[in-house]
This record gives sequence, structure tokens and C-alpha cells, in this order.
Amino acid sequence: DPKIIQKPKYLVAVTGSEKILICEQYLGHNAMYWYRQSAKKPLEFMFSYSYQKLMDNQTASSRFQPQSSKKNHLDLQITALKPDDSATYFCASSQTGGSGQLYFGEGSKLTVL
Amino acid sequence: QQQVRQSPQSLTVWEGGTTVLTCSYEDSTFNYFPWYQQFPGEGPALLISILSVSDKKEDGRFTTFFNKREKKLSLHIIDSQPGDSATYFCAASGAGNTGKLIFGLGTTLQVQP
Repeated sequence: DPKIIQKPKYLVAVTGSEKILICEQYLGHNAMYWYRQSAKKPLEFMFSYSYQKLMDNQTASSRFQPQSSKKNHLDLQITALKPDDSATYFCASSQTGGSGQLYFGEGSKLTVL
Repeated sequence: QQQVRQSPQSLTVWEGGTTVLTCSYEDSTFNYFPWYQQFPGEGPALLISILSVSDKKEDGRFTTFFNKREKKLSLHIIDSQPGDSATYFCAASGAGNTGKLIFGLGTTLQVQP
């Protein structure tokens, strides 16, 4: 059974709209992350949260807003969507102070038309 | 400028052969180097990792070598199997175990029966 659940797996949006990507982890980890995988680009770090607090933000745009309502949740709200936002978004988690191993979810593939 | 470079971009080997993937990096402060394996439609999964204090780590058929002086590492897969067909990512991070990994573009491996 997947230990990191991402929803939805696929989504299509129109330019200018807003979407929320859901992530829940059941590994008991206290750190969670968002990464983005776009065509022809490396998997790219976006955000890290530890104990529900933002630790690092590498996105240049405020259109990307992580939201942590519970310890094992880290959702990603994306507003004013653009075609360039089309990518697969991966949620990941790890135990802070542990081996550093990141566990990734299966991803949410976003297509913006 | 890519901080982590991988080669080759794609590779085909015969079943039973040895696969060698290489990776180089720029930042001398990087000290943790994981290799991730990704199958289509799935998230990356940690395969093996090495710290900069070591020069070799082995796990079954998978061995990673690290050369600090040359800022290079490699992944060797012996007795390659069709089930090893996947995309392999080299990644790196610095001190602090923040969960922020810098990924390479990946190598797509096809193992032919």
C-alpha cells in the first residue's frame, strides 16, 4: 500500500484557474516536501516543511502556496495557472535527523491548457 | 547551469551485462549522494546512497563509487535484469540534511532480454 498518497493522480486545468494538490503521508515522518518534474528538466525542489513549519522555499512565484493543516498533510495550492506550470508534482517525506532518505509519492500530473 | 550532470542520457544493455551510469557535480560542499530509480508512472525510489566520507557502497547487485577529488560518482549494476529497466537519477545535497536534493536529468536504462 502506498505510504504517501497524492491526489489527484492526473488533472487538467485551464490557464488562469486554481488547483490544489493533496498529499498525505503515513510514514510517521515530520518533514515533508514538494518537488516538480517538468519535461527536459531535472526533478526540482520546491518547498520543505518540518513540524508543519516552512523551512525552505525555492519557488520564485507566490502562485505556489503549500498548506499544512495536519502533521502528515502538505497540500500545494497553485493559483493563476500557466501552461509552463504543466509538470508532475511529487510530494516527499523524511524523518528529520535521520538518514536523509526521502520517500516520494507517485505524483500528480498537471496539464495546463 | 546544472549542478549535477549525468551520462549517458540513455543506455541499452543485454540481460546479464553490467550497467555503468556516471554522475558529476559542481558544489564541493555536497556530501550526500543518493541514486534514485523511477519506473514510469511512479515516484522516484531510493536505490542506494553514499556519503562523501566513503568511496564505495554496495547493496546486492548495485554498487556506487565516489571520487571526491574528481567530483564524480558512478552506479554499477551487475547481472542487469529486464526488471532494472527504469530511469536512474543521481542526486546530491549538502550538510544539514534539509531534504533539498539537487537532481541530475537522469539516465533511461533499457535491459534487453
